[in-house]
Amino acid sequence: DGGITQSPKYLFRKEGQNVTLSCEQNLNHDAMYWYRQDPGQGLRLIYYSQIVNDFQKGDIAEGYSVSREKKESFPLTVTSAQKNPTAFYLCASSEGGTYNEQFFGPGTRLTVL
Amino acid sequence: GESVGLHLPTLSVQEGDNSIINCAYSNSASDYFIWYKQESGKGPQFIIDIRSNMDKRQGQRVTVLLNKTVKHLSLQIAATQPGDSAVYFCAEDFYGSARQLTFGSGTQLTVLP
Repeated sequence: DGGITQSPKYLFRKEGQNVTLSCEQNLNHDAMYWYRQDPGQGLRLIYYSQIVNDFQKGDIAEGYSVSREKKESFPLTVTSAQKNPTAFYLCASSEGGTYNEQFFGPGTRLTVL
Repeated sequence: GESVGLHLPTLSVQEGDNSIINCAYSNSASDYFIWYKQESGKGPQFIIDIRSNMDKRQGQRVTVLLNKTVKHLSLQIAATQPGDSAVYFCAEDFYGSARQLTFGSGTQLTVLP
């Protein structure tokens, strides 16, 4: 089965702790993305990567960090510097280039207590 | 219809009726648009896309219309079914690369029995 997996589905952390969200794809896609979604709102871009070992900040990168050491993996770390980290986090991938839709994973719901 | 920054609009339709979901996009230079469907607690699913050199595109039970003059996009769902109940997002290729999509805030579609 080809697709995008995110783990865990639900994650709870104490305030002040860093936490890393996993995203893996076996679609052989070059580009990967992280979005944040708050209740009743659309998706906001945190970081994106168009190729291995390269990534760019999105609209709301402050308090987050990423790495792209492998084509299939794009983990997101939510640091203690993120002021309001409780949200639904979505990972996506695409073939890159033009006119290629993004495919989404099932999401991770992070709750900071 | 939806537009970035507004609270989530809602649309209720009777089962079997046609649904029309509207989206006002922001950048007249955007040349690629996608409609996604998101069920509660899940990641968005691709429905249909359209390039700016087209006015209309049809899929299975869905049609997307693009009016570049007024920067308006619509999604028509024929013979709406209970399984169509979800939040629908439009996304535009805001930066002209199709690798960075900007999402609207979504429309909640509820299908009534």
